[in-house]
Amino acid sequence: AQSVAQPEDQVNVAEGNPLTVKCTYSVSGNPYLFWYVQYPNRGLQFLLKYITGDNLVKGSYGFEAEFNKSQTSFHLKKPSALVSDSALYFCAVRDWDGGSQGNLIFGKGTKLSVKP
Amino acid sequence: GAGVSQTPSNKVTEKGKYVELRCDPISGHTALYWYRQSLGQGPEFLIYFQGTGAADDSGLPNDRFFAVRPEGSVSTLKIQRTERGDSAVYLCASSLPGQGGTQYFGPGTRLTVL
Repeated sequence: AQSVAQPEDQVNVAEGNPLTVKCTYSVSGNPYLFWYVQYPNRGLQFLLKYITGDNLVKGSYGFEAEFNKSQTSFHLKKPSALVSDSALYFCAVRDWDGGSQGNLIFGKGTKLSVKP
Repeated sequence: GAGVSQTPSNKVTEKGKYVELRCDPISGHTALYWYRQSLGQGPEFLIYFQGTGAADDSGLPNDRFFAVRPEGSVSTLKIQRTERGDSAVYLCASSLPGQGGTQYFGPGTRLTVL
């Protein structure tokens, strides 16, 4: 079965410093990986996705993610964090196994806190 | 263009009552998904529509939950005999079909069962 893990419940970063939010995955076929961000009392906003191609994926708001097949990871990164980046971040994998029709399987989420 | 919309934004009901939650997807998106997000957790899949038909309802927790999409656009999630454990945020997402299709989420409906 497909799954994702976000090993950190919370990540604390100082404004201007680089940030990394970790995600590892387990799939039986080709991985389709996504990152979403959720602000308080809001729905999920799409940041970026990896389907195929270049291992470094660039997305919205200056975020990027690196797909690493050997380590089965898809970590989210940003070179310089902003206070406004503080939110809940979810990694997800597309489920195409077992007859499913492509719903997303989400990690538990990582709370990012950026301090001035 | 307009994103996914969901109504109501908040719903408070009493145990045992019936509720309906509505989702209006992005125009032209044939795929529609319902998820449920409990406090401190990631969203969990409930049901998927491709067009008018429910292509995968394996995530519905029991037969009190039902969803329809009669004209292939707006969808309604229906919960009968609500229980306190049904309290959660119900999220709807839509996408174009295909493996690489990005799912775009609505703001959610926060359901509270007293």
